[in-house]
Amino acid sequence: AQSVTQPDIHITVSEGASLELRCNYSYGATPYLFWYVQSPGQGLQLLLKYFSGDTLVQGIKGFEAEFKRSQSSFNLRKPSVHWSDAAEYFCAVGRGVTGGGNKLTFGTGTQLKVEL
Amino acid sequence: GAVVSQHPSWVICKSGTSVKIECRSLDFQATTMFWYRQFPKQSLMLMATSNEGSKATYEQGVEKDKFLINHASLTLSTLTVTSAHPEDSSFYICSASGYSYNEQFFGPGTRLTVL
Repeated sequence: AQSVTQPDIHITVSEGASLELRCNYSYGATPYLFWYVQSPGQGLQLLLKYFSGDTLVQGIKGFEAEFKRSQSSFNLRKPSVHWSDAAEYFCAVGRGVTGGGNKLTFGTGTQLKVEL
Repeated sequence: GAVVSQHPSWVICKSGTSVKIECRSLDFQATTMFWYRQFPKQSLMLMATSNEGSKATYEQGVEKDKFLINHASLTLSTLTVTSAHPEDSSFYICSASGYSYNEQFFGPGTRLTVL
């Protein structure tokens, strides 16, 4: 069965500092990997996704993630964090078909706090 | 991006009653919809997948008679929590995807509190 681990429950960074959120997955086949952000009162928003190809994926809001098969990781990075980035971040692995029909298994999330 | 709405955004009900939650795709046809449950400070757990016009497929451990899902049109799916009990209190989130999309679009969620 597939699983996703986000080792960091809470992370606090200063505004302008770099950020890396860790994600490790377990899946028997080629994974479809996603990062979502959840803000209070809003639905989950997709930051970026990896299906195949270039292992360094660029997303919205200046985020990027790198797929490392040998480490079963898909860490999210941002070079300079803004106060508005404070939110809950979820890594997910998709199983089944490609595209929107993926059944998603989510990690437990990382709560990001940004200090001004 | 495509927009998904949920109604109501929060609901409080008495134990033993049934509650219906609506999930709508506002600007696209949702061929597939998903329902998730999120406990406080925890992850989202997939409950079921529904394709328009078909019966929902439930994940292992989810009671299909407790959580009734209907996906009767390409823009609407409903989740009915039957005979709700306090342990059903949770945050319920839907997502939807359509023909030309390779991702799911999430609704804002519905907070259910059963007294």
